[in-house]
Amino acid sequence: EVQLVESGGGLVQPGGSLRLSCAATGFTFNTYWMTWVRQAPGKGPEWVANIKPDGSDKYYVDSVKGRFTISRDNANNSLYLQMKYLGADDTAVYYCARVVPEAGPDCWGQGIPVTVSS
Amino acid sequence: DVQMTQSPSTLSASVGDRVTITCRASQSVNSWLSWYQQKPGKPPKLLIYKASTLESGVPSRFSGSGSGTEFTLTIGCLQPDDFATYYCQQYNSYSLFTFGPGTKVEIK
Repeated sequence: EVQLVESGGGLVQPGGSLRLSCAATGFTFNTYWMTWVRQAPGKGPEWVANIKPDGSDKYYVDSVKGRFTISRDNANNSLYLQMKYLGADDTAVYYCARVVPEAGPDCWGQGIPVTVSS
Repeated sequence: DVQMTQSPSTLSASVGDRVTITCRASQSVNSWLSWYQQKPGKPPKLLIYKASTLESGVPSRFSGSGSGTEFTLTIGCLQPDDFATYYCQQYNSYSLFTFGPGTKVEIK
């Protein structure tokens, strides 16, 4: 069974940093693109970033370019999102998800809340 | 960048109704279009991918159609479990995924 478990969220002050982790089990992690998607309170999902199976290609939504970094550790089946210079607009539940070529994001974690507030 | 729109934003319906939701892309996404169902406090659940392929385990009352820039999700006979918010998402390129704004299906 595919499982994705996010961790590392919480309350952070404006301008602060946070690193999210996503532990993957139940599939061959190093053969899949992975993605981070966020959802602000009362809003729809917003794609944040994608990373290639070997980590060589990474893509970001414009609003996080230069502030967020997606990475992965295939030896430990883990996905990460390093977030810097956080602002109120980054407050959201953050989901990691597996990406399949035919379907896009197919399996999702339960999400981890990030709140940016003083 | 590809922008996605959905209509309607809210839909009031009764159990047993046939429901159709429309999703439009600002440029062609070929058939790289998925539909998700989301309930409060839960992650989105994949229902349909490649515009019309039903994800394993999803009831057959759900169907999708379309290609290029216009797509539809149809629920053939609305069930109580179907009251939720539905999102389309394009994945034409790994460099940019885009979600639609959502359609809330509520009880009439």
